[in-house]
Amino acid sequence: SQQGEEDPQALSIQEGENATMNCSYKTSINNLQWYRQNSGRGLVHLILIRSNEREKHSGRLRVTLDTSKKSSSLLITASRAADTASYFCATDPNTGNQFYFGTGTSLTVIP
Amino acid sequence: ETGVTQTPRHLVMGMTNKKSLKCEQHLGHNAMYWYKQSAKKPLELMFVYNFKEQTENNSVPSRFSPECPNSSHLFLHLHTLQPEDSALYLCASSQGLAGGQNEQFFGPGTRLTVL
Repeated sequence: SQQGEEDPQALSIQEGENATMNCSYKTSINNLQWYRQNSGRGLVHLILIRSNEREKHSGRLRVTLDTSKKSSSLLITASRAADTASYFCATDPNTGNQFYFGTGTSLTVIP
Repeated sequence: ETGVTQTPRHLVMGMTNKKSLKCEQHLGHNAMYWYKQSAKKPLELMFVYNFKEQTENNSVPSRFSPECPNSSHLFLHLHTLQPEDSALYLCASSQGLAGGQNEQFFGPGTRLTVL
């Protein structure tokens, strides 16, 4: 399968703490994207990192990409209750017209 | 508000009914997608359209029939569904297809329950 796999499946932290989620994939990619989904809603794009980039920041988000290990991590710093959601990585492989999503990490931030 | 709308937001139907899901994007994108999201499973891509032409059909049963009359509208026609088809159906659009640094914009989804 070309799908990304997120780890852990679920994560619960206190407000103010940092949250780290990981994504592993199997094929070479053009880019990797992270999305957030609030319960029962559509996905919202957070950040895109290209295959030739190693790290990218956006506000409280930091994404790293290690193409040699075929893995990525999403770090959310100083978490807030509003960050409670599911987080998905999506891989854009070098072939085909599809993006491949994993099962997601469910993050709960306790106020 | 992502610029992608879906109607209805909730749908309950019997196995013999025929219904349609509608998706509209106001972003001027060329590609549109249908995904199925079931509990504890990866997001499943169903169909991809690019410039109104279907480019991907991921072995979706024929009881799901997509229609893309123009680049802004996408429909999913449903008939003789099964209870296991109950899921959240998400529509998405992007400027171009995968491979072009394109992000996808998702609608809020239609929660479908098949009785």
